[in-house]
Amino acid sequence: SAVISQKPSRDICQRGTSLTIQCQVDSQVTMMFWYRQQPGQSLTLIATANQGSEATYESGFVIDKFPISRPNLTFSTLTVSNMSPEDSSIYLCSVARDSGTYNEQFFGPGTRLTVL
Amino acid sequence: AQSVTQLDSQVPVFEEAPVELRCNYSSSVSVYLFWYVQYPNQGLQLLLKYLSGSTLVESINGFEAEFNKSQTSFHLRKPSVHISDTAEYFCAVGDTGRRALTFGSGTRLQVQP
Repeated sequence: SAVISQKPSRDICQRGTSLTIQCQVDSQVTMMFWYRQQPGQSLTLIATANQGSEATYESGFVIDKFPISRPNLTFSTLTVSNMSPEDSSIYLCSVARDSGTYNEQFFGPGTRLTVL
Repeated sequence: AQSVTQLDSQVPVFEEAPVELRCNYSSSVSVYLFWYVQYPNQGLQLLLKYLSGSTLVESINGFEAEFNKSQTSFHLRKPSVHISDTAEYFCAVGDTGRRALTFGSGTRLQVQP
């Protein structure tokens, strides 16, 4: 398993501002992902954070809105830019080790974002 | 492309009764299947997983799920639920090509006394 921490755990932000969420893992991992869980809904993958290169975004998510950094194998950040109330969600970081044949993932505690 | 369907958005059940949470998936490649649980105001926890081998997998708290390839299902069952099992349960599918998981819409299990 892996111990994952996220900062902040929650925040209330004003429309038009940006928030950067940090994800820290206690050991090196091959893969890191960012998901969004909108109120009462399931998890949707935003992007895969790639170490040393640009993140890979899912359909409907763009780098200008959700810039991601991954400077090393234990840390990543997700920025939610120019926020609107529709961005109010829980943002989760998850990690997986490249075991060759499967991709068991572990999730951080999440960052609960409210945009006013 | 993969997809996961959880047929029931809510399942109310009385304590000590059996329960089944249904999950069906669609994928063109071999898959790995997972059930995650999210207790109120908490993060996601892995409940159980099917990677290979025996199609019946069990968790430490009495849940089990059976991988049925012909029916593309991975239903979650428990013979006797407790109040503490009240939570949101998510079925997810992954494969070696797409490393991220695709989640179902979730099933809220509400255990009543």
